[in-house]
Amino acid sequence: DAGVTQSPTHLIKTRGQHVTLRCSPISGHKSVSWYQQVLGQGPQFIFQYYEKEERGRGNFPDRFSARQFPNYSSELNVNALLLGDSALYLCASSWRTVPNTEAFFGQGTRLTVV
Amino acid sequence: QKEVEQNSGPLSVPEGAIASLNCTYSDRVSQSFFWYRQYSGKSPELIMSIYSNGDKEDGRFTAQLNKASQYVSLLIRDSQPSDSATYLCAPRGTGNQFYFGTGTSLTVIP
Repeated sequence: DAGVTQSPTHLIKTRGQHVTLRCSPISGHKSVSWYQQVLGQGPQFIFQYYEKEERGRGNFPDRFSARQFPNYSSELNVNALLLGDSALYLCASSWRTVPNTEAFFGQGTRLTVV
Repeated sequence: QKEVEQNSGPLSVPEGAIASLNCTYSDRVSQSFFWYRQYSGKSPELIMSIYSNGDKEDGRFTAQLNKASQYVSLLIRDSQPSDSATYLCAPRGTGNQFYFGTGTSLTVIP
């Protein structure tokens, strides 16, 4: 079975631009969460979606948005990119949204803003 | 503000020794706890989950949980050079999101 897949794996953008990151969860998983990990830090929660509905939002500005599609894949959008948005963006997949549920990460998208 | 603190690294142990990784968390309603391993430049990989107080063993790994003390730990027995990585402690609360610590860097010396 395929794991969590994210695309693209690497991306270089210029300040002020917009970026869309994509995630396909493990087959059968209905929940997708997005995390941002800057160098030397642990991942920080951005969004959680379940059955196409937003179930949680972290402390990120409105420049960050996301959605989940009927096939449970998800997009993370970031507008007006800043240098500080440079990070590894991680997508985590789980089959439901109760605490005793394991989550599995994709390989991540490394975004560099120049 | 939910916080997770892990023992400061880097931690170095000789091959074959026991590595002990510790984590305390501030959110009392956290119900489940996960340990992830992250190699440099890679994404986190789930290695253990624990939901009840006590010990849980899986191969060379043992997770220990004490909810009253808000403490969770990971022991790695017979450490191998391939265990060299950053280990992330991740409590999960009723909001179902992870709160990660900054991680503990482990180096196993051959």
